[in-house]
Amino acid sequence: AQSVAQPEDQVNVAEGNPLTVKCTYSVSGNPYLFWYVQYPNRGLQFLLKYITGDNLVKGSYGFEAEFNKSQTSFHLKKPSALVSDSALYFCAVCSSGNTGKLIFGQGTTLQVKP
Amino acid sequence: EPEVTQTPSHQVTQMGQEVILRCVPISNHLYFYWYRQILGQKVEFLVSFYNNEISEKSEIFDDQFSVERPDGSNFTLKIRSTKLEDSAMYFCASSDSWSNTGELFFGEGSRLTVL
Repeated sequence: AQSVAQPEDQVNVAEGNPLTVKCTYSVSGNPYLFWYVQYPNRGLQFLLKYITGDNLVKGSYGFEAEFNKSQTSFHLKKPSALVSDSALYFCAVCSSGNTGKLIFGQGTTLQVKP
Repeated sequence: EPEVTQTPSHQVTQMGQEVILRCVPISNHLYFYWYRQILGQKVEFLVSFYNNEISEKSEIFDDQFSVERPDGSNFTLKIRSTKLEDSAMYFCASSDSWSNTGELFFGEGSRLTVL
């Protein structure tokens, strides 16, 4: 069965410092990996995706993520956090043959303090 | 920028009542989805819809649920007889790509409270 794990409920980081939000996955077949962000009282917004190719993918708002097949991980990173990055972040996976059926992790709240 | 819109933003209903949640997907998208998020829990897939029929549905999507695209723009989720455990945020999403490479565009959600 497909699954996604985000081991941290909350990540706290000071503004200007690098941030990492962790995600590991389990899927049969090739994984298609996504990160979404949810601001308070808003829907989910797409940040970035990994389908194939370069293991480091760049997305919106300066975020990037690194696909690591051996560790089955897809951690979200940003070199310098902003207070406005504070939100709920979801990792999601979709395996081949399941179009549109994203399996989400439980979410990680990112708190960036000034 | 085109967006997915959902109405109502919040609906309170009595247990056993029927509820219809409405969504207007992005105009050139062909693939439509409903997800839900119970407070404090994961976002869960409910159903996908393409070419006027359900493509896939989860075990959550039982006989009490139905989806419809009654015209060229709206996509609705109906819950026939609501239960307390149906209380959740319901997200509509759409996509222009029938492949795993296309990201989904989500609406802001409809919060359903069943009393």
